[in-house]
Amino acid sequence: GESVGLHLPTLSVQEGDNSIINCAYSNSASDYFIWYKQESGKGPQFIIDIRSNMDKRQGQRVTVLLNKTVKHLSLQIAATQPGDSAVYFCAEKKAAGNKLTFGGGTRVLVKP
Amino acid sequence: EAGVAQSPRYKIIEKRQSVAFWCNPISGHATLYWYQQILGQGPKLLIQFQNNGVVDDSQLPKDRFSAERLKGVDSTLKIQPAKLEDSAVYLCASSKLAGEREQFFGPGTRLTVL
Repeated sequence: GESVGLHLPTLSVQEGDNSIINCAYSNSASDYFIWYKQESGKGPQFIIDIRSNMDKRQGQRVTVLLNKTVKHLSLQIAATQPGDSAVYFCAEKKAAGNKLTFGGGTRVLVKP
Repeated sequence: EAGVAQSPRYKIIEKRQSVAFWCNPISGHATLYWYQQILGQGPKLLIQFQNNGVVDDSQLPKDRFSAERLKGVDSTLKIQPAKLEDSAVYLCASSKLAGEREQFFGPGTRLTVL
């Protein structure tokens, strides 16, 4: 499949270990923060979101943490699997309007 | 449930030529989005439709890009004339309603302008 990006920050993780992907945001007016996963040759796929008045939200094998003090968002993946290899994007949804604004991505490579 | 369909998957053209991309959203999804994704970057919204009306086209380069969704179902994005910097993946997404955080993306059309 085609490559999503050639010069993305890359996180290499051993299969079975936990992964932490970080994202800094600048817009304090966002009411939701969202994580998307993009596999090679495919469009982005929604993973999980968190409302701006929350600090933590858990899903299946994923946890999103929001630190509004330092405007930092992170996605934790437990027991990383080969299928988790992809580019991960954080996105913001502003309180006013319907638009999602995507940030830069992080490539996750899972080593067997 | 069928996903978002896009065609073609790949297109190579020379600068100043025209190109069109087609998208068929998930059945019943009222909101359709076109994004441009330049290599190494996140998707950037070009235009958003709610049924057959434009909700947001603030980032669409209207001198060369146009899009329509005449019957409120499938949509076409056109570039005329293309520039080298238009080389990117063009992604179509849909959602049931406007403002949803979960958008469903198609596989994209990779455009190369020579």
